[in-house]
Parts: sequence; C-alpha cells; structure tokens
Amino acid sequence: LAKTTQPISMDSYEGQEVNITCSHNNIATNDYITWYQQFPSQGPRFIIQGYKTKVTNEVASLFIPADRKSSTLSLPRVSLSDTAVYYCLVGEIRSQGNLIFGKGTKLSVKP
Amino acid sequence: GAVVSQHPSRVICKSGTSVKIECRSLDFQATTMFWYRQFPKQSLMLMATSNEGSKATYEQGVEKDKFLINHASLTLSTLTVTSAHPEDSSFYICSARDTPEGGYQPQHFGDGTRLSIL
Repeated sequence: LAKTTQPISMDSYEGQEVNITCSHNNIATNDYITWYQQFPSQGPRFIIQGYKTKVTNEVASLFIPADRKSSTLSLPRVSLSDTAVYYCLVGEIRSQGNLIFGKGTKLSVKP
Repeated sequence: GAVVSQHPSRVICKSGTSVKIECRSLDFQATTMFWYRQFPKQSLMLMATSNEGSKATYEQGVEKDKFLINHASLTLSTLTVTSAHPEDSSFYICSARDTPEGGYQPQHFGDGTRLSIL
C-alpha cells in the first residue's frame, strides 16, 4: 500500500476555498485515491475518490496530476462545520484489503 | 447510500468485564468487515479483518484471544473485548464495503464505540 503524506494541520476562514494536498510518490498502477472526513467521536465519512485528472461531486473536487504522485482535495467555500480531520488514502480499488490511515490533516475553519 | 451501524455508541464498565460491540451493514451484504481502534488525537489503526464464515485475520501485535471477532452473517460482525482493562479504553470503529456486481463502492464506516474501562 502506498504511503501518503499530508500537512498535519491547516487553518481557513469561512467562505474560503481550501486545498489539501497529499503526496503518494509510490502509488501503484491499480491504486485509487480516496479521501475521508472525520469529525470527533465519529467514524470517517467518504468524501471523494478518483484515479486520474479531475473528479467533482456535490461536496468536493479532487485534482490528480498526470504522474499521480500527488492529489489535491478542494473544498469550495468552507463553513465552520467543515472543521474536521481529512484523510488521504491510496489503495487498489477492487481489493478487499484494508485501508491504512495516515495522520490526516486537521482543518480548522474560523469565523 | 450504504449504511453501517455500530452498537453501542458508548460503554463504561469495570476492569475485567468483557464487552461486545456489534457492527451491522444495514442495506447491503458484506463478506468482509474491518475493525479499527483510534486513541485520542491519533489516526485509525487497523486491528483485524473480519471474514464471513471464517476466522478473522489479525494485524501484527493485536491479540486474537483478547479481541474476539465473529462474523456469522453477511450483515453482522461482532468484536468482543475480553477481560477489558483500562489500557483497552479507546474508540473502536468498524467498516464494511458493498461490492455490487460489476461495480465498486468505497468502505463505509460505523460511528464508532467509545469504550471506557474504569
């Protein structure tokens, strides 16, 4: 499983766009990139997943460059409720293998 | 979307007590479920992989006789912390993946169980 590196923490203000970058230099051909969000005392919640280029859903966008050695989660116009820990995970999509969580990025959104 | 339910959400009990935590996939069948443990201000750490109808696979350093896992049906896995001690106090989280024919879904997590051993 590819190791991931993310900033430990980030601060932002309400209404701003937040971009969290994750490095995964050893990503394998069959690996997908998945982002989860976790609030205190809750289980992680799936945000978005992608393989290459750009993926967008109702809550976020995921940008993946051609070499796939990094990815950026983009949260448009964050609110206070987006304060959470965000995890970037890399793994083979069809495997029943487990997810290995890194330390994640603690995003603090201020008023 | 796929929902994973975990029960109870919080347990407080005396040292030496055995505690059972249930993990259910509510609207899909899961041949495999995963159990994680999370200490304060730390990331999730995988404890074991629960396989329906067979023995669980434990990660290195996790005592299988201490953390008993039973996956008797396609929608239910249980984790029993036997003879719990204060050092077992933690946040336990399960996850499961729906694998519809021809498709793929990401893992979905339960809301966790806060275990406090006095």
